[in-house]
Amino acid sequence: QKEVEQDPGPLSVPEGAIVSLNCTYSNSAFQYFMWYRQYSRKGPELLMYTYSSGNKEDGRFTAQVDKSSKYISLFIRDSQPSDSATYLCAFTFSGGYNKLIFGAGTRLAVHP
Amino acid sequence: GAVVSQHPSRVICKSGTSVKIECRSLDFQATTMFWYRQFPKQSLMLMATSNEGSKATYEQGVEKDKFLINHASLTLSTLTVTSAHPEDSSFYICSARDLRLAGGRTDTQYFGPGTRLTVL
Repeated sequence: QKEVEQDPGPLSVPEGAIVSLNCTYSNSAFQYFMWYRQYSRKGPELLMYTYSSGNKEDGRFTAQVDKSSKYISLFIRDSQPSDSATYLCAFTFSGGYNKLIFGAGTRLAVHP
Repeated sequence: GAVVSQHPSRVICKSGTSVKIECRSLDFQATTMFWYRQFPKQSLMLMATSNEGSKATYEQGVEKDKFLINHASLTLSTLTVTSAHPEDSSFYICSARDLRLAGGRTDTQYFGPGTRLTVL
């Protein structure tokens, strides 16, 4: 079983749609949960960060964590063509110089 | 916000040559830098972690003699791909972390824009 599972897509939606991106994980020691956005041929940029179960909202983005089910989601409201990118979930442990464990990334295309 | 640069952004070289990629933190001191490799349509795979002034820690399966990492200062880390071969062609991305910026969080990494290496 992979440590992190993420559907690679591609996911194609019309502008204005609500997008739901998901990851499951198997390591119960993960303490921090992140979503990164990566445009083609660019480095990832941090979108959302959380460390507890529940929802966290930032503008059009909502991150959801369910530790009991080992499942995290990213919702994008009113999606825009500029949201077209690859979205990577990432996980890490608490304390020290810990590495990030990434999902495979989901490619999202928002068409006008 | 914290900015990380990489140079060059793209490099094409002949098989057997060595290539050096630089990663710089522009407005903060990077106590830790990470080097990742990303193949097309795949996720980032961590190659090594380096702390300033000490030897890098390589992930399993990564040849330390082939991928030389130097983190000699708090703002610069270099990755040298020695005797590059076509199978080393990939997108190399560095990230940097400064615990003083992280506000107690140990997870905050700032990524560079990446370097695309093509070995002919």
